This record gives sequence, C-alpha cells and structure tokens, in this order.
Amino acid sequence: QLQLQESGPGLVKPWETLSLTCTVSGGSITTSSYYWAWLRQLPGKGLEWIGSIFYSGTTFYNPSLQSRVTISVDTSKNQFSLRLSSVTAADTAVYRCARASFSSSGRNWFDPWGPGTLVTVSS
Amino acid sequence: EIVLTQSPGTLSLFPGERATLSCRASQSVTSGYLTWYQQKPGQAPRLLIYLASTRATGIPDRFSGSGSGTDFTLTISRLEPEDFAVYYCQQYDTFPVTFGQGTKVEFK
Repeated sequence: QLQLQESGPGLVKPWETLSLTCTVSGGSITTSSYYWAWLRQLPGKGLEWIGSIFYSGTTFYNPSLQSRVTISVDTSKNQFSLRLSSVTAADTAVYRCARASFSSSGRNWFDPWGPGTLVTVSS
Repeated sequence: EIVLTQSPGTLSLFPGERATLSCRASQSVTSGYLTWYQQKPGQAPRLLIYLASTRATGIPDRFSGSGSGTDFTLTISRLEPEDFAVYYCQQYDTFPVTFGQGTKVEFK
C-alpha cells in the first residue's frame, strides 16, 4: 500500500525558505503512471495546489506561487521535495504531499495524500 | 482560473438521511474533470469520486457523483456515522487545478 510522509521544520522565520521532503514507501516514485504533488491547507480555509513533478524532473507550478516555488525529485531515495522562498505569515499552513494522476499539462487529481505537516511562519 | 463554490457551507443531518452537496463552477468544466474528497478532523483528504461520477477504489456505493458543465453534485444516499466530515470538490479541467471551500456534514 502506497504511503507518503512529509518531513521538515515546523517553524520558519519570515523571509526565509521553507523546505519539506516527502518520502514515498510501498511503491516507486519512478513510475510512469503518476506525478507527485505538493498541496497546502491554509488555516480555516480550503486547499491549494502548489505544484507537481514527474520522476524525470518535469514540473508544473501554481502561477500564484511560481516565482517562489521549487519542487525537485531524488529517485535514489524515493523522495521529492518542496522549497518555498521568502515566506510570510500568509504561508502558514498544513503542507501535504500526494500522488497525482498523470497529466502532461499539470491538471491532476490526488490520491493518496500524506498526513501533512504544520508549518508556521513566525519570528 | 476556475472558482468552485460549494453549498451549503454546513449540512446538518441525522444518520440514515440523504445528503446532497453542490459544487458550482465559475466556468464550464468541459471534460467532466471533477473530483470529490472527504476529510475528517486531523486526517488527510480521501478521494471519493473522480471524473465527476466514478467512485474511487474501495468507496461504498452510497456515495455517488453527478453533473456536468458548471453544476455538480455529491450524494450520500444514507448517512453512516463515519460519513460526518468535510467534503471538497476539485476541478482538473483547467490549469491551475482548484478546490472548493468545502461543505461540512454534521450531526443534527
């Protein structure tokens, strides 16, 4: 059974870079059938897609975050990672990784999801 | 981007009752590329429905999705205690993908 687990600091200072890693177990990240995605859930608000990556390194980013986001993949560790730069309090959220349906245009649905990790931006 | 508006915000029902949740899109979801997720407190969202009406693996048949164009519906035919949760719709027809704000189904 495929499982995903997020890891990384729970507290980031304003204007610094948020870095998270998603470890995939129970399946290979190098499958040609799926992408891998980062999403977030803002406090009291809904869900926001951040970006998706294919094992080859092809990425799609949400235009609202594109200037600050980098998603990368490490196939040797079966992991993919998120970097979000210049964070502010508005980036405080539960960050989740997920397996994404295959799409050559970045239009995915997501299943399953990791349990999520709360990242708070505060000095 | 497509804005998804879910209604009602909260649905108060008894177990055994029928739940009807609405998801309206700001423009047509032309390919029917719409999903529904269930989220319980402290848990990750779980995929229920994709392609507007196809149940995901292991999802009970009391959950059904319907609709096209700009209007989509998730129906739970008879609420079980474990169905009280928040439900989100998501479109993957147009880039970037977007989510509705959720409908909470609560005990009456």
